[in-house]
Amino acid sequence: GAGVSQSPRYKVAKRGQDVALRCDPISGHVSLFWYQQALGQGPEFLTYFQNEAQLDKSGLPSDRFFAERPEGSVSTLKIQRTQQEDSAVYLCASSLERGGTEAFFGQGTRLTVV
Amino acid sequence: RKEVEQDPGPFNVPEGATVAFNCTYSNSASQSFFWYRQDCRKEPKLLMSVYSSGNEDGRFTAQLNRASQYISLLIRDSKLSDSATYLCVVPQRGGYNKLIFGAGTRLAVHP
Repeated sequence: GAGVSQSPRYKVAKRGQDVALRCDPISGHVSLFWYQQALGQGPEFLTYFQNEAQLDKSGLPSDRFFAERPEGSVSTLKIQRTQQEDSAVYLCASSLERGGTEAFFGQGTRLTVV
Repeated sequence: RKEVEQDPGPFNVPEGATVAFNCTYSNSASQSFFWYRQDCRKEPKLLMSVYSSGNEDGRFTAQLNRASQYISLLIRDSKLSDSATYLCVVPQRGGYNKLIFGAGTRLAVHP
């Protein structure tokens, strides 16, 4: 399809395990966002890319969280040494322009840390 | 104070009812605003944009009050399919539109 694609859809990790979440944005979209959504809450901003440049990582909760978008398309969010509080849905969104308005979201990756 | 605040609800209304949600924001520099809809276990999707005083799209009306820094969403003639969480979104200006989401207001429309 032509939408934002995320994989895996579901991930169960043992505490302390490293995980990698993938996002395929809509082709040609300049802006890419990662959000974290806890149960019953709105999405919380994690980080923003403009093409391959990570311009804002102010929302990353700790240095265990790392994101990259090396070629300006696919992005990976990596979480090292997962903790139970990392359990959430991780949403990726892309928009066409640098100052683009509408952001299109992927279906998210539901991470459960046990 | 949170940057974007919403009443979490839930709002339980019968079909055909009119329901209104409010959202307050703290960043007075924000110029544009959005309402996103999120169905259970699905991703958020854009419902409406609000650029000036308001916007109307069929049964949905969004209004902006800059002086009081709030945005409202009015749904007329509610349908069962309107049941969802409605997220108020305020872009934080700073070179790009970092979307700041409220926690959402849950709406349940019953027969």
